[in-house]
Amino acid sequence: EVQLVESGGRLVQPGGSLRLSCATSGFTFSHYAMNWVRQAPGKGLEWVSTISSSGGSTYYADSVKGRFTISRDTSRSTLYLQMDSLRGDDTARYFCAKDAVPNVGFCVSPTCYGKGGSDSWGQGTLVTVSS
Amino acid sequence: DIQMTQSPSSLSAFVGDRVTITCRASQSITTFLNWYQQKPGKAPKLLIYGASSLQSGVPSRFSGSGSGTEFTLTISSLQSEDFATYYCQQTYIMPRTFGGGTKVGIK
Repeated sequence: EVQLVESGGRLVQPGGSLRLSCATSGFTFSHYAMNWVRQAPGKGLEWVSTISSSGGSTYYADSVKGRFTISRDTSRSTLYLQMDSLRGDDTARYFCAKDAVPNVGFCVSPTCYGKGGSDSWGQGTLVTVSS
Repeated sequence: DIQMTQSPSSLSAFVGDRVTITCRASQSITTFLNWYQQKPGKAPKLLIYGASSLQSGVPSRFSGSGSGTEFTLTISSLQSEDFATYYCQQTYIMPRTFGGGTKVGIK
């Protein structure tokens, strides 16, 4: 059974930093691109970032570019999101999500491995940015 | 960036009704369109990928159609457990934008 468990969310002051983790199990972590998606209280879903299966390619929403860094540790089957220079509008529940299509072999472009959407999600971790 | 526009933003329906939600992309995304269902306090759940392929385990009353810039999600006979918010997302090109969501409520 695929499992994704986020952690690291808490109350942090504006300008502060936080690192979120997403521990995974039940699938071959090194074969799949991974994503962070957030949801502000009472609002819709916002894609934040994607990292390829190798970690060699990363993509960010304009709203977090230059402040957030996505990474992964294959030995720990864990995804991370380093969040710096946090602002009030970063307050949200942060979900990690696994792509459905393996990012292996000939499927090396995000267009290819994004075809199947994100088929597994964690329950999210809440980040609150406030003084 | 590709903008995704869902309509309506909310709707009310009876159990048994046929419900259709529309998602429009600001430029062609061929069939790189996915639909998710989200219930309060829960993570999103993938329903449809590639515009029309039903995710494993999802009831057949859910269906998706469309290509290019216009897509629809149809629930053929609404059940009580289908009351939720539905989101479309394009994965044709980065950033992987979501639509604003459609909340399906009880009439």
